[in-house]
Amino acid sequence: NAGVTQTPKFRILKIGQSMTLQCTQDMNHNYMYWYRQDPGMGLKLIYYSVGAGITDKGEVPNGYNVSRSTTEDFPLRLELAAPSQTSVYFCASSRLAVGETQYFGPGTRLLVL
Amino acid sequence: TQLLEQSPQFLSIQEGENLTVYCNSSSVFSSLQWYRQEPGEGPVLLVTVVTGGEVKKLKRLTFQFGDARKDSSLHITAAQPGDTGLYLCAGAGLDNFNKFYFGSGTKLNVKP
Repeated sequence: NAGVTQTPKFRILKIGQSMTLQCTQDMNHNYMYWYRQDPGMGLKLIYYSVGAGITDKGEVPNGYNVSRSTTEDFPLRLELAAPSQTSVYFCASSRLAVGETQYFGPGTRLLVL
Repeated sequence: TQLLEQSPQFLSIQEGENLTVYCNSSSVFSSLQWYRQEPGEGPVLLVTVVTGGEVKKLKRLTFQFGDARKDSSLHITAAQPGDTGLYLCAGAGLDNFNKFYFGSGTKLNVKP
């Protein structure tokens, strides 16, 4: 099992550009999450999904969109990138929610200039 | 927003010392998790506590969930350089247990 994979590992965007961060898991997990981690800080939940076709907002959803058409994939879309979106983005998945392990991907480092 | 505050923010100790990291909130959580994160990697789960007053031990690490499920502590006995990393607590919301709220972390450095 590869676990949770994320692409790309690193990206530089110009202000106003758009991009999609890819996340795939091969553990057949229902729950998937997107977090951002600013330098020296904890993680903040952007969006989450409890299954294919079902998504909901987290703490900091503004400027982002998600979709979940399959169990395996949970892409995060950035529209009109802003410097405030410079961060490290982590995708995670879990079998259930409460009491279950969240498995994290290696992260995507995004720099918006 | 359910705020989780961790203390201390930074901790630098010698190998063999004991330490305690705290995770506090004014909110009640349905469960609380502790993660360790190393530079350039995603967090890795250490433990989940669910019941108020629960104590779990993982080798030299002892985790406690407060009776009111608002706070937690992580105690490390005889720290080793391999314990170095960022320790994060994360609480699952009481009204929506699908949402996890992370603390800002405690950066631990254990010197040989």
